[in-house]
Amino acid sequence: ETGVTQTPRHLVMGMTNKKSLKCEQHLGHNAMYWYKQSAKKPLELMFVYSLEERVENNSVPSRFSPECPNSSHLFLHLHTLQPEDSALYLCASSQDTGDANEKLFFGSGTQLSVL
Amino acid sequence: GDSVTQMEGPVTLSEEAFLTINCTYTATGYPSLFWYVQYPGEGLQLLLKATKADDKGSNKGFEATYRKETTSFHLEKGSVQVSDSAVYFCALSDQLSGGYNKLIFGAGTRLAVHP
Repeated sequence: ETGVTQTPRHLVMGMTNKKSLKCEQHLGHNAMYWYKQSAKKPLELMFVYSLEERVENNSVPSRFSPECPNSSHLFLHLHTLQPEDSALYLCASSQDTGDANEKLFFGSGTQLSVL
Repeated sequence: GDSVTQMEGPVTLSEEAFLTINCTYTATGYPSLFWYVQYPGEGLQLLLKATKADDKGSNKGFEATYRKETTSFHLEKGSVQVSDSAVYFCALSDQLSGGYNKLIFGAGTRLAVHP
């Protein structure tokens, strides 16, 4: 148990659906992240939030919409996705974002399948 | 931009064999280097890190030395166990604009250890 909880663990959705991924951290951290893990590709950073403010949007398509209502919760809203968006979506948190030695704490991920 | 290259897997070993997973990096500055491990069905966990040249990170019998001259951070373990079966990710810290740090990951190397 890393202190970062993601729900749901698995999600199957059609291309016209709207769904949301949820992440919650109980570590008192100030920074939260969304990463995408596709088969045979490096982890891709999608979004970074620091103190509930988005500080990085790594050229992610607008069909992915993040929301950080407070420092403990992070959402990823999904709409009109494509089959190539099928992947494991990982949430992570860290104490802050400015320390090069910062350790990230990851959740177990949501395995998303887009049909 | 900065990048990380890992040896392709899967790596299949018998229990008590010696393990090496190669990792090389490209960076303009002096990043910190990390190894993360992902066990089946779980998120990534920090295994070890090194923050400057010639530093050796170690944890759970695993070691890696920050080699600036060869831009490498190879992971080694003298005697692997079945429980070490997982995917191993090499990563470096990079500086985003605005002073925020992010991790750049390699593609991951799957290790399978058989009794």
